[in-house]
Amino acid sequence: GAGVSQSPRYKVAKRGQDVALRCDPISGHVSLFWYQQALGQGPEFLTYFQNEAQLDKSGLPSDRFFAERPEGSVSTLKIQRTQQEDSAVYLCASSLARTGFYGYTFGSGTRLTVV
Amino acid sequence: EDQVTQSPEALRLQEGESSSLNCSYTVSGLRGLFWYRQDPGKGPEFLFTLYSAGEEKEKERLKATLTKKESFLHITAPKPEDSATYLCAVQARNSGYSTLTFGKGTMLLVSP
Repeated sequence: GAGVSQSPRYKVAKRGQDVALRCDPISGHVSLFWYQQALGQGPEFLTYFQNEAQLDKSGLPSDRFFAERPEGSVSTLKIQRTQQEDSAVYLCASSLARTGFYGYTFGSGTRLTVV
Repeated sequence: EDQVTQSPEALRLQEGESSSLNCSYTVSGLRGLFWYRQDPGKGPEFLFTLYSAGEEKEKERLKATLTKKESFLHITAPKPEDSATYLCAVQARNSGYSTLTFGKGTMLLVSP
């Protein structure tokens, strides 16, 4: 596609509910990143994929967070048993390079609100 | 630990009133410093990458500069459409996959 597409744009979840957020990167992009952006803050790194391999998940805040990219294109970020502190915008970014060295293109994000 | 501090947190300018945004950073070996623009409800949009002290890059009314400790984003004769949050981010040399460490951003409002 022309850009990085994320769905849904908005998600309201009751505390304890599981959610799945989808990212469709730019076609052919090797690298895919997930970031979390709390209100009034800059984005914070969650995890990185190179094709289908998850090479860095050091930013995932707890074992309730899980990400996958099984065929090296679309990625899903799953949050189990959501908590209020999970409320944030979840941003996906992709890059043609095998690293993000030359910067990357962000999607518009999914705004998650846990009530 | 890599750190990025942006100032001011918010800035209000009149149309045509030039100013600068500051980004101070500490990083264990800088690979690159990035500036992004973020509009409400949108993801960050890439503006510039700077790689070494003394480097400057320009795009329309924006000019980014880099020293060993900070970067400035100069806005010349801003227009209302320049209103956005401007984010600064660093890549460290030891960041194997080139993750970015972001500052909190400067929210710029340009009034007509």
